[in-house]
Amino acid sequence: GAGVSQSPSNKVTEKGKDVELRCDPISGHTALYWYRQRLGQGLEFLIYFQGNSAPDKSGLPSDRFSAERTGESVSTLTIQRTQQEDSAVYLCASSSQGYGYTFGSGTRLTVV
Amino acid sequence: QKEVEQDPGPLSVPEGAIVSLNCTYSNSAFQYFMWYRQYSRKGPELLMYTYSSGNKEDGRFTAQVDKSSKYISLFIRDSQPSDSATYLCAMRLGTGFQKLVFGTGTRLLVSP
Repeated sequence: GAGVSQSPSNKVTEKGKDVELRCDPISGHTALYWYRQRLGQGLEFLIYFQGNSAPDKSGLPSDRFSAERTGESVSTLTIQRTQQEDSAVYLCASSSQGYGYTFGSGTRLTVV
Repeated sequence: QKEVEQDPGPLSVPEGAIVSLNCTYSNSAFQYFMWYRQYSRKGPELLMYTYSSGNKEDGRFTAQVDKSSKYISLFIRDSQPSDSATYLCAMRLGTGFQKLVFGTGTRLLVSP
């Protein structure tokens, strides 16, 4: 596609429920990144995938967070047993050259 | 101490003013420096990309890196109301596919 697509754009969930966030990167982009942006804070790195290499999961805040990517296509970020502190905008980005990311518009997650 | 420090603002200026946005960082190993612009409810978009120390100009925007002081700046000349957004600095260690470390962002408001 023309850009990075994320769905849903907004998600309200009850505390304790699981949620799945989806990211469709730009076709041909081999690298895919997930970041979290809490209100008034900068972007917090979560995980990144590069081709067939093992993902860098060093930013995942707890074992409730996991992510998958099939080849060089769609990625899914899953948050299990959501907590109120998980409320944030979750941003996905893809890259083909390693220096400039193209971001999606994000998924705004609200845990009530 | 955060790796990258950025004043959150807001910074309010009249149309036509010269704007100076800044970040300081603690890790002297950072080599690549970027500025992103983020409009409300949108993902960040890449504005400027620089390597090591020096200046880079693109239209009304100038990015400046001073590695000896661990200080980077973005200057906007002839600011316009459409420049009103949050500006995030970002940096990474080296080449290839690596995670970016972001500042918290500075909110800029340009009044007509």
